[in-house]
Amino acid sequence: DIQMTQSPSTLSASVGDRVTITCRASQSISSWLAWYQQKPGKAPKLLIYKASSLESGVPSRFSGSGSGTEFTLTISSLQPDDFATYYCQQYASYPWTFGQGTKVEIK
Amino acid sequence: EVQLVESGGGLVQPGESLRLSCAASGFTFSDYWTSWVRQAPGKGLEWVANIKQDGSQKYYVDSVKGRFTISRDNAKNSLYLQMNSLRAEDTAVYYCARVHSSDGFVDFWGQGTLVTVSS
Repeated sequence: DIQMTQSPSTLSASVGDRVTITCRASQSISSWLAWYQQKPGKAPKLLIYKASSLESGVPSRFSGSGSGTEFTLTISSLQPDDFATYYCQQYASYPWTFGQGTKVEIK
Repeated sequence: EVQLVESGGGLVQPGESLRLSCAASGFTFSDYWTSWVRQAPGKGLEWVANIKQDGSQKYYVDSVKGRFTISRDNAKNSLYLQMNSLRAEDTAVYYCARVHSSDGFVDFWGQGTLVTVSS
């Protein structure tokens, strides 16, 4: 199975900050990576697919990069609505696996 | 508007069975792979199973193989998860999800149904 490791697990930031979350795969997954945002009590929401493609309707302050084993999700200017937990997920091979999540908290 | 509405969750005892349903609307259900993904209380996301458009291919996480069965009825626009021999570690919110038509990622999620396995 491919293990996905996110860092950090928790991130404290202020509105307007640039935020970067890292996701590492235990083996190459090419660009078969998605990022999701989840707020408490809600279903996850797709942000980024194929490592760097922005889902329709998602604000342009979100961006994704990377390939192979190392990936990043960047929020260029953190907004109040962005405080949430973020997950990466590989869909290169079964079983699909998720990172453990990164909680973005208000500083 | 795309909608996925799960039902069938509840409290069951260890060893018992439960069947989850997911009603799809707002898109052509038979055109999409679909998934079940779960989330234990306070924990992260765990993929459970996928099923192809016509039901001919199914994939499962190892921890549920032999106990859970994913199925679908395209005439009823519905996805199912039959869960047998339930364990305490199966306690989670179960999400029904749609897989993107040309790439293999989840592009839409239902709101989830809670399954609690406890004596």
